Amino acid sequence: EAGVTQSPTHLIKTRGQQATLRCSPISGHTSVYWYQQALGLGLQFLLWYDEGEERNRGNFPPRFSGRQFPNYSSELNVNALELEDSALYLCASSLGQGSTEAFFGQGTRLTVV
Amino acid sequence: EDQVTQSPEALRLQEGESSSLNCSYTVSGLRGLFWYRQDPGKGPEFLFTLYSAGEEKEKERLKATLTKKESFLHITAPKPEDSATYLCARSSGGSYIPTFGRGTSLIVHP
Repeated sequence: EAGVTQSPTHLIKTRGQQATLRCSPISGHTSVYWYQQALGLGLQFLLWYDEGEERNRGNFPPRFSGRQFPNYSSELNVNALELEDSALYLCASSLGQGSTEAFFGQGTRLTVV
Repeated sequence: EDQVTQSPEALRLQEGESSSLNCSYTVSGLRGLFWYRQDPGKGPEFLFTLYSAGEEKEKERLKATLTKKESFLHITAPKPEDSATYLCARSSGGSYIPTFGRGTSLIVHP
């Protein structure tokens, strides 16, 4: 069974540009979580989608946004990129509300120059 | 606010030297306590879920236990390939969102 897949693996952008990161959850999973992991820091919660709806967001500015598609895949968009946005962006999926175990993809390494 | 605190931040062991990692968490509304392993530059790999005090789970050289305030990840006779960062996370009744600790970086020397 395929795990959580993220694309691209690496992404290099210039300050001020926009970045789009993609995530495909495990088959049958309806919840998708996005986390940011800056170098040397812990996982910071960004966004949670379930059944196509945004259920919660972390303490990040509005230029971090996303959506979940009918097939439960998800996009994370980061507008007006800043150097501090350079990090590993991780997507995790779970069976949905009522299920607690989340499984992660390998991440997208975003570098802003 | 959900809090997860892991200790120590870093741990160096000799191969075969058993030890334990600690995870302290806020108690109210615990829905699940999770352990993950993360290798550098990669996504966390799921290890265990614990739901209630007294519960224990094992996988190879790893054993996770849960009390009312803490969880421990015991590593028995570790090998160099056990070197990684071990992350603890919890979800609470209201949001289901896993909240992570900063992790313990484990290095096992041959």
